[in-house]
Parts: sequence; structure tokens; C-alpha cells
Amino acid sequence: QKEVEQNSGPLSVPEGAIASLNCTYSDRGSQSFFWYRQYSGKSPELIMSIYSNGDKEDGRFTAQLNKASQYVSLLIRDSQPSDSATYLCATSTGGYQKVTFGTGTKLQVIP
Amino acid sequence: DGGITQSPKYLFRKEGQNVTLSCEQNLNHDAMYWYRQDPGQGLRLIYYSQIVNDFQKGDIAEGYSVSREKKESFPLTVTSAQKNPTAFYLCASSIRQLDSPLHFGNGTRLTVT
Repeated sequence: QKEVEQNSGPLSVPEGAIASLNCTYSDRGSQSFFWYRQYSGKSPELIMSIYSNGDKEDGRFTAQLNKASQYVSLLIRDSQPSDSATYLCATSTGGYQKVTFGTGTKLQVIP
Repeated sequence: DGGITQSPKYLFRKEGQNVTLSCEQNLNHDAMYWYRQDPGQGLRLIYYSQIVNDFQKGDIAEGYSVSREKKESFPLTVTSAQKNPTAFYLCASSIRQLDSPLHFGNGTRLTVT
């Protein structure tokens, strides 16, 4: 079992719709969770971070964390073509702060 | 401007040669990381370091080596023992705090033929 799992996609949504990206993790010791966006050929950039159960909103983005279910999600409201990218879920674990990434979900926003 | 510098951007080597990828940061971050990314794949952790002169193996450390002699620098050597070295290599750093996000360099694309 992979430590961090994501559906590889592609996930296609029409412009203006809500995109829902999901991630599950296996290590119950994971304490911090991150969503990064990566455009093709570029390095990842941070979208959201979340540490507590519940929802965290930042503009068009909402991260949701459920530690009991070992599940974290990212909602993108009013999706734009510029949101088309690969979204990487990551967890931070342990005293040595090991940061593990999922394989990413490719999002396509159709104009 | 503070940031992470990886050099070179593109690197070509012949099979059987060791090659060292540079990573320098001026963010005063304690923690540094090396990841490998293959086409269409996520990031896989090679090595990471929380403090000078200390580092831990990640999930795919075989065939790689690192050093952390200075806080600002975390070079990665890809040895001839690495069977499939062609990949996109990303260096990152963060504050030494569990909830601190990673800051990435622009990456080095290594091609071995």
C-alpha cells in the first residue's frame, strides 16, 4: 500500500464548476497535510496546508481533513482553465519531518 | 531575493559516470530534501536532512548519496549504481517544523545515455 494515494485522473470539469480532488494516507502518525499544484515541467507550488480536522478555506480553495478516515481533499470552486495542472497531496510525519507525496491528480478545466 | 537554486537546469551524462546535482538555499531553512520525479509520476523522496551533518534515507535512496556540511547546501550525487537515473530532480527546503511547507527549487533534468 502506498503511503499517500491519489487518483491519477485526468479529472475533467467545465469552467466555473467545482473540482474535487481526493487523497488518502496510510500513516496515522501523519500530522500535517499539504496540497501543491504543479504545471508541466515546473516545480510544485503550495496551494493549501491543513493540520486539524475539518475545513480550511482560502479564496476559491477549500481543504478538508478527516484524520479518522485518513482522508484529505481539495475543492476548487469556480474552476478556471488556468487551474489545469497536476495537484499533489503530501503528508508530513515524524520527528524527522518526512514529507511524502502522492502520485498526483491531473485536472483539466474545459473552457 | 531568498530562494533555492538548483544547478544546472539540464545535465547530460554517460552511463557509468557519477554526477553531482547542486542545491543551495539562502532562506536560512534547517530542513532540506531531494525528490525524484519521473514522467507522469509524483515525487519520490531520496534523502532528507534536518540539521547539518545529519541526513536520513528516503524511500528510494539506493544509488544516491548526499552530504550536508553547510546549512545552505545539500548536494546530491547520482552514482553509477543507480539503474535508472534519467529523471527530473527537485530540491526543497523548509523550516524545521512539522507544519512548515516545502519551498522548491526549479529542478534539474538529468539525462543519462
